[in-house]
Amino acid sequence: EAQLVESGGGLVQPGGSLRLSCAAFGFPFSSYWMSWVRQAPGKGLEWVANINQDESEKYYVDSVKGRFTISRDNAKNSLYLQMNSLRAEDTAVYYCARRHRNCFDPWGQGTLVTVSS
Amino acid sequence: DIVLTQSPGTLSMSPGERATLSCRASQTIISTYLAWYQHKPGQAPRLIIYGASNRATGIPDRFSGSGSGTDFTLTISGLEPEDFAVYYCQQFNTFGPGTKLEIK
Repeated sequence: EAQLVESGGGLVQPGGSLRLSCAAFGFPFSSYWMSWVRQAPGKGLEWVANINQDESEKYYVDSVKGRFTISRDNAKNSLYLQMNSLRAEDTAVYYCARRHRNCFDPWGQGTLVTVSS
Repeated sequence: DIVLTQSPGTLSMSPGERATLSCRASQTIISTYLAWYQHKPGQAPRLIIYGASNRATGIPDRFSGSGSGTDFTLTISGLEPEDFAVYYCQQFNTFGPGTKLEIK
């Protein structure tokens, strides 16, 4: 069974940085596009970033372009999100998800990022 | 960019009833790219329907999806207590705002 486990969330001051990790289990990680999706408090789901199998293609929502970087290490079955210049509006639960059949499936349990002074 | 609109925003139903959730796209989309998710507080979102009408692995047959073009529907026949959650439709990198299905 495919599983994803995120880590790395926490409290960070505005302007600070944080690196999220997502460990993948139970499927050939290197064969799939992967994504990060977030949910701000009281809001809906918002796609953040995509990465293809060999990191040659990366896409971001406009609000994080130039601040966030998605990456992966296929040897470690891991996905990452480096978040710099964090803002209060980046406060959210961040989920990693596998892209499969044009869907997000499965999802990790999420990691909370709080940007506050 | 395509915008997805979901209605109603909140749906109050009783267990055993039939729930109909709507997702409307701002322009025609390919059915292959329309999915539905169930999201409960504190849990990972869960894929329910992909390709507009295909149930994901392990999803009970009381869940069904239909539609084409710009109008899509998720139907839950015979609501069970565990079905009360927020449901999102999705196409490519766009999610709808969600429908909260609550117990009446």
